Amino acid sequence: GAGVSQSPRYKVTKRGQDVALRCDPISGHVSLYWYRQALGQGPEFLTYFNYEAQQDKSGLPNDRFSAERPEGSISTLTIQRTEQRDSAMYRCASSLSASGGLSTDTQYFGPGTRLTVL
Amino acid sequence: GNSVTQMEGPVTLSEEAFLTINCTYTATGYPSLFWYVQYPGEGLQLLLKATKADDKGSNKGFEATYRKETTSFHLEKGSVQVSDSAVYFCALSDGTNAGKSTFGDGTTLTVKP
Repeated sequence: GAGVSQSPRYKVTKRGQDVALRCDPISGHVSLYWYRQALGQGPEFLTYFNYEAQQDKSGLPNDRFSAERPEGSISTLTIQRTEQRDSAMYRCASSLSASGGLSTDTQYFGPGTRLTVL
Repeated sequence: GNSVTQMEGPVTLSEEAFLTINCTYTATGYPSLFWYVQYPGEGLQLLLKATKADDKGSNKGFEATYRKETTSFHLEKGSVQVSDSAVYFCALSDGTNAGKSTFGDGTTLTVKP
């Protein structure tokens, strides 16, 4: 079936505005992950969900960042009062099985949303 | 905390050359180790993985062995092709909370004909 999709693919916003980034995982995938990737660096873990439950949000940089997955499928990453340092590629991934403890499954990545804060 | 250190790039090789991209890690518990690849204009995709010490992951001619004693997971390929040109990321999943992954900064490989 279709892969992980993210929207919008590109977002330009002004400092101080709120933005919402959407991730639509592969149908039936239990786990969903959010990452942030700065230019020239690897993805940086933000948070992940099993079904609708947020399992770990230790990577969210501050309280302006939040994520939800209310029905265990689509997820939204919201950044409030954006700052220039929030500019980055935001990547979403999903995996078939639940992650946690010693167990993790192959993650399938979406194309990312390029966020630019002016 | 966990960390992954990758060989700095960029790496440029001629077709059919031998490839090694070094990766070392720091982690507690029993992490799983991964190599991801990002081809130009595409998203990240899993290349191979190993879940315990001495395991060898392999795919598309690439190999990497999980070496706990040296905390390494070096990527190798005996004969690279132009189509292998991409960015390669080494990563680990947390040893006690496997949903949380740590990535290296990536190594850009260019293979010339």
